[in-house]
Amino acid sequence: SQTIHQWPATLVQPVGSPLSLECTVEGTSNPNLYWYRQAAGRGLQLLFYSVGIGQISSEVPQNLSASRPQDRQFILSSKKLLLSDSGFYLCAWSVLKHTEAFFGQGTRLTVV
Amino acid sequence: AQKVTQAQTEISVVEKEDVTLDCVYETRDTTYYLFWYKQPPSGELVFLIRRNSFDEQNEISGRYSWNFQKSTSSFNFTITASQVVDSAVYFCALSERVGYQKVTFGTGTKLQVIP
Repeated sequence: SQTIHQWPATLVQPVGSPLSLECTVEGTSNPNLYWYRQAAGRGLQLLFYSVGIGQISSEVPQNLSASRPQDRQFILSSKKLLLSDSGFYLCAWSVLKHTEAFFGQGTRLTVV
Repeated sequence: AQKVTQAQTEISVVEKEDVTLDCVYETRDTTYYLFWYKQPPSGELVFLIRRNSFDEQNEISGRYSWNFQKSTSSFNFTITASQVVDSAVYFCALSERVGYQKVTFGTGTKLQVIP
């Protein structure tokens, strides 16, 4: 069966510090991978998606970047965090277009 | 542009009551997909159902049922005989037929089931 791992679960970082959140998927090949952010009291906003190694598309211009160094690994990064980067970050995967996405357990990031 | 509206921000019901969560969507596409997800306090989103735009048949899964009506652009979710474990935030989402899975989520409805 397929599983998705996302870590860390919680993170407190000072403004201006770098960020690296990692997500890995097991049990499937060539998944579509996504990074979402959920601000407090709001819906999910798609940040990045990837259909293959090295293929990253950004939905929203921001202080963040994403990379996919391996087929089942998706990394969310920032060189310098802003206060507005605080939120709940969710990694997700899907097999085909328009099929349901399966989510990781999320990382709650607080920038102080 | 696609849009999903969940007008109910929070709902409280007493255990065993039925509750309906509303979802209204907007899209210019004739082919699209609708989803419902549950987000319990742990934070992880749990997939509940997917519907494509050509299948208006209502679906029932245990205590859960979904009413899809293209005429009103709605995809409502009903929980029958609610239980405390149903307490969560529920998200409706829409995916249009583009080159990738561009999914737009509603802002969610927080359901609290009171024992």
